[in-house]
Order: sequence, then structure tokens, then C-alpha cells
Amino acid sequence: QKEVEQNSGPLSVPEGAIASLNCTYSDRGSQSFFWYRQYSGKSPELIMSIYSNGDKEDGRFTAQLNKASQYVSLLIRDSQPSDSATYLCAARGGGATNKLIFGTGTLLAVQP
Amino acid sequence: KAGVTQTPRYLIKTRGQQVTLSCSPISGHRSVSWYQQTPGQGLQFLFEYFSETQRNKGNFPGRFSGRQFSNSRSEMNVSTLELGDSALYLCASSPGTISYEQYFGPGTRLTVT
Repeated sequence: QKEVEQNSGPLSVPEGAIASLNCTYSDRGSQSFFWYRQYSGKSPELIMSIYSNGDKEDGRFTAQLNKASQYVSLLIRDSQPSDSATYLCAARGGGATNKLIFGTGTLLAVQP
Repeated sequence: KAGVTQTPRYLIKTRGQQVTLSCSPISGHRSVSWYQQTPGQGLQFLFEYFSETQRNKGNFPGRFSGRQFSNSRSEMNVSTLELGDSALYLCASSPGTISYEQYFGPGTRLTVT
């Protein structure tokens, strides 16, 4: 059973709209959650981290975490064509480990 | 501050050969993790090192091994290469092992023919 689930997409939104990306995880021991952006042919780039329930905002990005529902989301406001990429959700378990479990990623396409 | 560097960036090997990939973490970072990315399996954890000690290992065969040096640089080795080992190998750097963010290097693209 996959431990981190994402809708593979593609998710298509018009320029200027809000893109909403979702992720669920199965390990209740997971403590930290991350969103990475990966352009085609490039390596993942960290864009958000979230450790506590609630919202965390950074510029146009807002990460949301609900540990009771085992749900993480990423909102991208005022989406730009340059935001078109695959967005990877990752979860890290508790304890002294950096092991990340990744979802398969959601492909976002922002239409000009 | 310089980012994570990986060498080589591209590599073509033949089945049965072995390969060594190198990763230099961000200056001051002591934790290095390795991941394999393929179109079919996505990003999968290989192993992580902290202060020269392997702290965790993923579900990969023993052909995959790694080590970390005292300067935090890390290498991973794959012996007896198989076609299925063709992948993007990514190294991630972190200051420590608890509640720290990880930053990926550009990766090494390995093609096994």
C-alpha cells in the first residue's frame, strides 16, 4: 500500500487562478511534511515545509496540514505559467531519521 | 552558500559493471540521503548517513551501498548493474536528522545498457 497518495493529474488551471494540490498519508507517526516542485529534467526543489496542524503561508504558497485527517495540501495563489511543474508531497516519520516517503506527484499545468 | 553538488551528472554503463556516484552536501550539513527516481516507481529512499554512520536503509538489494566521509561527502556504489538500475539518483543534504529540511542536488542520470 502506497504510504503517500497524490492525484497524478494533470491539474490544469488558468493563469491567475488558485491551484489546489492534495496529499494523504497513511503513517500516523509522520511528523513533518514537505512540498517539492520538480520541473521536467530537473531535481526536486523544496518550496514548503509544515510540521504543525493549520496553515503556513509563504508568498503565493500556503501549505495546510490536518493530522487527524492525515491530509496535507498546497495552495498556489495567482498561478503563473512558470508554476507548471510536478509537485511532490513528502512525509517524514518520527525519530531521528531523514527518510522521506514521496507521493507520485501531481502535474500542474497553468494555462496562459 | 553553494548548493549540493553531485558528480558525475550523466553516466552510461553496461550491465554487469559497477558504478560510484558522489555527493557533496551544503557546507555545514552533516546528513546526506540518497534517493532513486524512476518513471515507474517515483522517488524511493535508498539510505541516509549522518556523521559517517548509516542511520537508515531502504528496500534495495545489497548491490546498492554507500558511505560517508569525515567531511560529510558521500558516495554510493551500485555493483553488478542491471537494466532496471537506470534512473536519476538524487542526493539530499540536511543539517541534521530531526525536523530539518532537505535540499536536493541536481542528480546523476545513470543509463544502463
